[in-house]
Amino acid sequence: DSGVTQTPKHLITATGQRVTLRCSPRSGDLSVYWYQQSLDQGLQFLIHYYNGEERAKGNILERFSAQQFPDLHSELNLSSLELGDSALYFCASSPEMSYGYTFGSGTRLTVV
Amino acid sequence: LAKTTQPISMDSYEGQEVNITCSHNNIATNDYITWYQQFPSQGPRFIIQGYKTKVTNEVASLFIPADRKSSTLSLPRVSLSDTAVYYCLVGGRGSSNTGKLIFGQGTTLQVKP
Repeated sequence: DSGVTQTPKHLITATGQRVTLRCSPRSGDLSVYWYQQSLDQGLQFLIHYYNGEERAKGNILERFSAQQFPDLHSELNLSSLELGDSALYFCASSPEMSYGYTFGSGTRLTVV
Repeated sequence: LAKTTQPISMDSYEGQEVNITCSHNNIATNDYITWYQQFPSQGPRFIIQGYKTKVTNEVASLFIPADRKSSTLSLPRVSLSDTAVYYCLVGGRGSSNTGKLIFGQGTTLQVKP
């Protein structure tokens, strides 16, 4: 157990739907990062939050949004889902904006 | 963020030492070098991080030459369970940096019996 908890582990949904992925960082970690990993794209950085504030954006679609709450857990919202959104979504946390990331076990999203 | 280049794949046998080299010619002064390991359908796992010379922990060593334009991850006496993808990343550290990690293709290490 890495200490980073992601729920749900698996999610199957239909095109056009909206889902919410949840991440609880390690205790004390202020930074949360979201990554998407699909077979043909590798690990793609989506977004970074630090202590509730957005700090960096990567290749995140406009249909996707995220937030970090006062208790430091984060949610990634994916809407108007397309088949191509099927992927593993990882959350990682770190104490500060350092490179000692700890990743969660991911949420496997399947859009049918 | 500095771009990294590493071999796409490597093969080894159990019990051998494996060295994976990463090139990062445009590394910046405040950049650190970090390696992650990823098994299929699992999140990447931090292996080791360094700035210069040599760093060693219980699982690996990281060698960084004086010019810091490359680095080598050394895995002693690999086993079948070391079969994984290994990522080399370079970037800044601390509050002045966003901290986002940009992953490249990684090196797929296949350990054979």
